[in-house]
Amino acid sequence: KNEVEQSPQNLTAQEGEFITINCSYSVGISALHWLQQHPGGGIVSLFMLSSGKKKHGRLIATINIQEKHSSLHITASHPRDSAVYICAVSKYGNKLVFGAGTILRVKS
Amino acid sequence: DTGVSQDPRHKITKRGQNVTFRCDPISEHNRLYWYRQTLGQGPEFLTYFQNEAQLEKSRLLSDRFSAERPKGSFSTLEIQRTEQGDSAMYLCASSLAEERGPYNEQFFGPGTRLTVL
Repeated sequence: KNEVEQSPQNLTAQEGEFITINCSYSVGISALHWLQQHPGGGIVSLFMLSSGKKKHGRLIATINIQEKHSSLHITASHPRDSAVYICAVSKYGNKLVFGAGTILRVKS
Repeated sequence: DTGVSQDPRHKITKRGQNVTFRCDPISEHNRLYWYRQTLGQGPEFLTYFQNEAQLEKSRLLSDRFSAERPKGSFSTLEIQRTEQGDSAMYLCASSLAEERGPYNEQFFGPGTRLTVL
């Protein structure tokens, strides 16, 4: 079993829909990261969080440390949100352990 | 642009050849990471440096792989006697690790896509 599991693997949404991507992990962590990767492109960090909730524009990330679970929400989705969203965890500044990613496609 | 840069962006090579990739981190960052990503998968950790010291290597990293960060600035990743299974995107990331701090936001380069024929 992978240390970081994401669901769903693939997600297709209509423009304007509310989107949720889930991440579960099985190891102790110091931080959880949500990352975005466009086709052929590099990886951009969206959030790094260790408790509670963070919001940036239309993106919201939450984490429940006791349940070892995090969610990434996108409100009012737009075709430009189409990308791969990756959950990763780290322990005290060391390597990231990544989930397999969720491929999101938002149709207009 | 003062982000993480990688060179080359694409490399096509024949099986058995050696290849070397370069990563230039954000200038004040003391940690540098190498990851590998195959199609449809999340990245996997290969190795990381704090300044010039290589602190951890993945068991994925066979003896054909070597990485250096000689002056604690840029890093090189060399693959000797390439195999078709080495075809992947090689990603570099850097961070500023705080003393005893838990946080480690990593900034990624654009990656080097390696194709071994």
